[in-house]
Amino acid sequence: AQSVTQLDSQVPVFEEAPVELRCNYSSSVSVYLFWYVQYPNQGLQLLLKYLSGSTLVKGINGFEAEFNKSQTSFHLRKPSVHISDTAEYFCAVTNTNAGKSTFGDGTTLTVKP
Amino acid sequence: GAGVSQSPRYKVTKRGQDVALRCDPISGHVSLYWYRQALGQGPEFLTYFNYEAQQDKSGLPNDRFSAERPEGSISTLTIQRTEQRDSAMYRCASSQTTGLTNTGELFFGEGSRLTVL
Repeated sequence: AQSVTQLDSQVPVFEEAPVELRCNYSSSVSVYLFWYVQYPNQGLQLLLKYLSGSTLVKGINGFEAEFNKSQTSFHLRKPSVHISDTAEYFCAVTNTNAGKSTFGDGTTLTVKP
Repeated sequence: GAGVSQSPRYKVTKRGQDVALRCDPISGHVSLYWYRQALGQGPEFLTYFNYEAQQDKSGLPNDRFSAERPEGSISTLTIQRTEQRDSAMYRCASSQTTGLTNTGELFFGEGSRLTVL
């Protein structure tokens, strides 16, 4: 069994400020880790993923995330946000044998001018 | 097609009616997944297929829900005798499954919003 906890349901931040969206997971098996972004009235799209290797992964739109195995975390960061980053962000885990992904409940990032 | 296509985008139905939601995955994608997303929550797994074989249906809430993918491409999620609690966004996703190279990355459609009155 696996689970995902996104620690903040809402994160308001001013434009050009840094942001961190937190994600913790639990799993009894090896997992792949993902962050997806959902813009209004659109489907979820992949932001970045961790499969193996370097624990720091870079994604689209300047986002990056760091896998921390000891803390079972996969926090998402961006050094300077834009208004266009306003969206809902979902952390997800999938066991390495494929099959279903488990999602967190999402974090709504609101970037204010 | 270029992306995952779902239809209808919006469906309003009366309690007790049956509904069928359709998903056309990305061409060549072997795996197809159905998720349900309630307002303010993340997608919740329902079921998935590799080719035409239903691999896992553990997330289907009860026997009113069923899914099929008879030719390994288009899939239909059917809800019989709908109830108000079935109202949600139903999302389909597809993925490449190539054994050891599978990355688990999902490509989502825009979803079908079901409202049961």
